[in-house]
Amino acid sequence: GNSVTQMEGPVTLSEEAFLTINCTYTATGYPSLFWYVQYPGEGLQLLLKATKADDKGSNKGFEATYRKETTSFHLEKGSVQVSDSAVYFCALSDGPGGNTPLVFGKGTRLSVIA
Amino acid sequence: DAGVIQSPRHEVTEMGQEVTLRCKPISGHDYLFWYRQTMMRGLELLIYFNNNVPIDDSGMPEDRFSAKMPNASFSTLKIQPSEPRDSAVYFCASSSGLSGANVLTFGAGSRLTVL
Repeated sequence: GNSVTQMEGPVTLSEEAFLTINCTYTATGYPSLFWYVQYPGEGLQLLLKATKADDKGSNKGFEATYRKETTSFHLEKGSVQVSDSAVYFCALSDGPGGNTPLVFGKGTRLSVIA
Repeated sequence: DAGVIQSPRHEVTEMGQEVTLRCKPISGHDYLFWYRQTMMRGLELLIYFNNNVPIDDSGMPEDRFSAKMPNASFSTLKIQPSEPRDSAVYFCASSSGLSGANVLTFGAGSRLTVL
């Protein structure tokens, strides 16, 4: 079945450090890939997405590139801020149409210290 | 729009009691999802609806769990009887099929503690 594997956290960084959170996937078709973020006490919200190979999703300084050859969708940010402290979830949806439920990774907790 | 509204935000109950969690999706969204989040298992899809019809309930743990969507603006997740292992945060999410059902808007969650 489809699955998503994320690097285990927690990840602790100093402000302005470079962030990478690794994500790899297993899927039978051509999935769409997503990063969702969960701030303390809140539900998840979409951070960025990519729907086909070599697409780059970006938002709020975060980027992730859909790499079909390595089945990866790593999240990066060049300079993190304290306000980026949250739990980050990688997810996939099988099928290009998009109307299929998301499969989530277990999440990676990021803490950014001033 | 006020977003996806869930209630209660927190529920503490004793084993064996019935628990009902409620969700109001975003107006106009035709997909509704119930997820459960625990430290051990992460986010698990329990059930989802399209146009108020249950499409896939294979994630519902057992017969103690049931979900309904009587109309486009309301859904419930019921646990009867509840057990300590049901303690988790339960999220409701909705989406529009026009923009892709995987672009979800989540509620703030209902944290359930079963003693």
